[in-house]
Amino acid sequence: SYVLTQPPSVSVAPGKTARITCGGNNIGSKSVHWYQQKPGQAPVLVIFRDSDRPSGIPERLSGSKSENTASLTISRVEAGDEAVFYCQVWNSDGDHPGVVFGGGTKLTVL
Amino acid sequence: EVQLVQSGAEVKKSGESLKISCKGSGFNFANYWVAWVRQVPGKGLELMGIIYPGTSNTRYSPSFQGQVTISADKSMSTAYLQWSTLKASDTAIYYCARQNSVGGDGSGYWISWGQGTLVTVSS
Repeated sequence: SYVLTQPPSVSVAPGKTARITCGGNNIGSKSVHWYQQKPGQAPVLVIFRDSDRPSGIPERLSGSKSENTASLTISRVEAGDEAVFYCQVWNSDGDHPGVVFGGGTKLTVL
Repeated sequence: EVQLVQSGAEVKKSGESLKISCKGSGFNFANYWVAWVRQVPGKGLELMGIIYPGTSNTRYSPSFQGQVTISADKSMSTAYLQWSTLKASDTAIYYCARQNSVGGDGSGYWISWGQGTLVTVSS
C-alpha cells in the first residue's frame, strides 16, 4: 500500500517560516492536498491540488511539490497556526478507495 | 451554505450495535462522494470507506472491510456508519466528509467535514 511520510513535529518561532514535508514514492505524479486540524476540531482543507488555496485560507500558507516530496510552507507563523497538518493523495487501488493520509505533523509555535 | 451535521456522541458497551449519521445540506447530497474517516484519540486520520449516495456505490478500505457498514439514504441526504458488534478498539472520533466535486470516482479532495462523532466503547 502507498505510504506518505511526514515528520511528527515541526517547531518554529512566531514570525518565522515553517515548512512541513510529505514524502511518497513518485508523489510528483499525484495531486497532493493538505488539511489543518486544530485541537478539538474537525480537519480543514488548506491546500488542494498541490498549491491551490480554498477561499478564506491566508496567502501565508502555500504548497509546492517536487518528484518525491510535497511541502506545505507557512510564512510569518502566528500562534493561531498551531495545529496538526495532514497531507493526502489518491493512490488507485483496485476496488478499494485510494485515499491515503500522511501520519500528520504537529506544528508547534515556540 | 454546505454543511455536514453528524449525530451526537455515543457511549456503548462491547458487543453492542451502533449506527451513526451524517446529514448534508446546502447541496445535492446524491451527487457527491462522502467519506467516513476514523481518528483514534491522539492519532492520525484513517479512511474507512466512501459512498456515492446517488447509486449507493460503496468502497471500503481493506482494514475496515467486513468490520463496518456504510450506507446512505439520498432522500434524507444522510449517510450512515454502522457496527453490528462494537469492540473497545472502535473507540474513536468518526468524521464524515464531502468530496469537492460532483461525481467522479472518489479521487478528489475532501472540502467539507462534519463536526465529528465521538464513540466510546467500554469493555
